[in-house]
Amino acid sequence: NAGVMQNPRHLVRRRGQEARLRCSPMKGHSHVYWYRQLPEEGLKFMVYLQKENIIDESGMPKERFSAEFPKEGPSILRIQQVVRGDSAAYFCASSPPTSGSYEQYFGPGTRLTVT
Amino acid sequence: AQSVTQPDIHITVSEGASLELRCNYSYGATPYLFWYVQSPGQGLQLLLKYFSGDTLVQGIKGFEAEFKRSQSSFNLRKPSVHWSDAAEYFCAVAPLGGYQKVTFGTGTKLQVIP
Repeated sequence: NAGVMQNPRHLVRRRGQEARLRCSPMKGHSHVYWYRQLPEEGLKFMVYLQKENIIDESGMPKERFSAEFPKEGPSILRIQQVVRGDSAAYFCASSPPTSGSYEQYFGPGTRLTVT
Repeated sequence: AQSVTQPDIHITVSEGASLELRCNYSYGATPYLFWYVQSPGQGLQLLLKYFSGDTLVQGIKGFEAEFKRSQSSFNLRKPSVHWSDAAEYFCAVAPLGGYQKVTFGTGTKLQVIP
């Protein structure tokens, strides 16, 4: 059973470009979470999605950031008009739909560098 | 709001020595508590978790953690550290019930010396 997959692993963008980060949850998982890890900091919650629904986006910056988890295909975290401060590691986690399952499985992360 | 404090940013221990990583949380009730490990350039791997019941929790790789409600602590321990344990360790908390909006501490980097 493949784990959570994220691609690309490394992404370099110039200021003003768009960044698209993809996350494929583990098989059978329908809950996806995105976190951002800035250098020397812990992970900060960004958004929680279920298939075709955003459940909680309280950690997402109000502008330039969006996330989706379509019925088919991976979850996408999109950052428009990137700035240097967006440079970070972005981690995706997934969990199964059954209630009481409180374990999140993390992907290897996408390291975004904005030049 | 829930929060997690890991007071030690870096810890260095000798191989074979015992280890204790500190974690304190702030939450209105008993939360779910986790310890994750992150190797360089990798994602996070769950070491152990506490939901309820026995306050001493056993995890993978020989780690254990003890929940102490009176101290709002969930310290991670290992009796004998191996060089492969060098990594960054994150304590995390999630609210009881509902979905897991997990809050992470800032991490403790563990260095193991021969």
